[in-house]
Order: sequence, then C-alpha cells, then structure tokens
Amino acid sequence: SQQGEEDPQALSIQEGENATMNCSYKTSINNLQWYRQNSGRGLVHLILIRSNEREKHSGRLRVTLDTSKKSSSLLITASRAADTASYFCATGETSGSRLTFGEGTQLTVNP
Amino acid sequence: DGGITQSPKYLFRKEGQNVTLSCEQNLNHDAMYWYRQDPGQGLRLIYYSQIVNDFQKGDIAEGYSVSREKKESFPLTVTSAQKNPTAFYLCASSAYNEKLFFGSGTQLSVL
Repeated sequence: SQQGEEDPQALSIQEGENATMNCSYKTSINNLQWYRQNSGRGLVHLILIRSNEREKHSGRLRVTLDTSKKSSSLLITASRAADTASYFCATGETSGSRLTFGEGTQLTVNP
Repeated sequence: DGGITQSPKYLFRKEGQNVTLSCEQNLNHDAMYWYRQDPGQGLRLIYYSQIVNDFQKGDIAEGYSVSREKKESFPLTVTSAQKNPTAFYLCASSAYNEKLFFGSGTQLSVL
C-alpha cells in the first residue's frame, strides 16, 4: 500500500521560479526521504530528514517535516530546466527497514 | 566504481516463460530491494532482503520469486504466474533504514 501521497501530481513552472511539492503520510515514521527520477532512469536520493528534525537544507533544496500533521514539503529554489523530473517522497517505518514510496510529483521547468 | 548494476536494460518475456532480472551491488550493503513501477505511478515493493539467505514479501509478491545466496546479489524471477508483468523494475540497496541506492532499471515487456 502507498504510505505517502504527493501533491500536486504535476507542476509546471518557469525557470528561476521556486517549486514546492508536498507529501502526506499515514503512520509513524523513523525518517522521510525525497528522491528524484529522470524519465526511464533509476531514482536518486536527494535528502533524508529524521522524525526529530523539522527542517533540512541541501544546496537549493529545503525540506520541512511536520510530524503532528504527518506531512513534509520539498522546496526547490531558483529552478532550472535540468530540474525537470519526477520527485517522490518515501517513508521509513519505525519498526522495520522497508521504505514506502508515494506516487510522485512530475515537475516541468520551462526554459 | 561503487554502485548497483541491473541487467539487462530491456527484457522480453513470452507467454508461459519465467525470466530472471539480475541485480548486483558492490556497496557492501546488507539490505536489497525490488520495486515495480508502472507508467506514471510510484514504486511498489515486491521483495526485500535484510541479510543473506533471508527475504520478505513486499506488497505485490505474487508471481515473483527471489533468492539471496550472496550479499552482493539479489536476482528477481518473474514467473508465468505473473499475468501482467510489463513494467519497469528497479533494484535498490541500502544500509539499514537509510537512503537507497538504485540501479538503472530493467524494462520488461511481454511479446
């Protein structure tokens, strides 16, 4: 079953704008991770935030986690055409090692 | 180079045939995973293994089988019992409950 649900399903913006994607989940988690996938390729890990953290930064990426609302957001600042990809959130369950993925947000950055 | 290798990149299955997808990693990771991805959708967990000679069913294990005889290898067999095997298959590995490293995927199609 899918644990995370991304919102929106698709997002189209102009180069230089910021992109925000949201993820909601249902059960307790140990950590939440964001991944990127270019069409027809494997996923690449972007950032991991633990359940006791509220915000994390990595370059142009900013991730927030609100465990009371069971939600997370990924912000990409100053987007580039090369950021065009699908973005997935994945949750690590407290009691095990498996990750459960959402259905992703398709981001298109127009030059 | 350290990484995770999937082969073949493209695979075709005839009706009634079993096919095996290869996944090898040299990252010294204990955990390995197989995911299925249908077009425009997220990843669904087929099987995972946290240690050699042990593996667990994921959410959609029916029609698939795996083995974990070596730490480096986690092959997936798509059996004839899987009636809708056309999908993109992704293998991943990780240290326990940490970020996943993905292979480049195998596209399986039915002839």
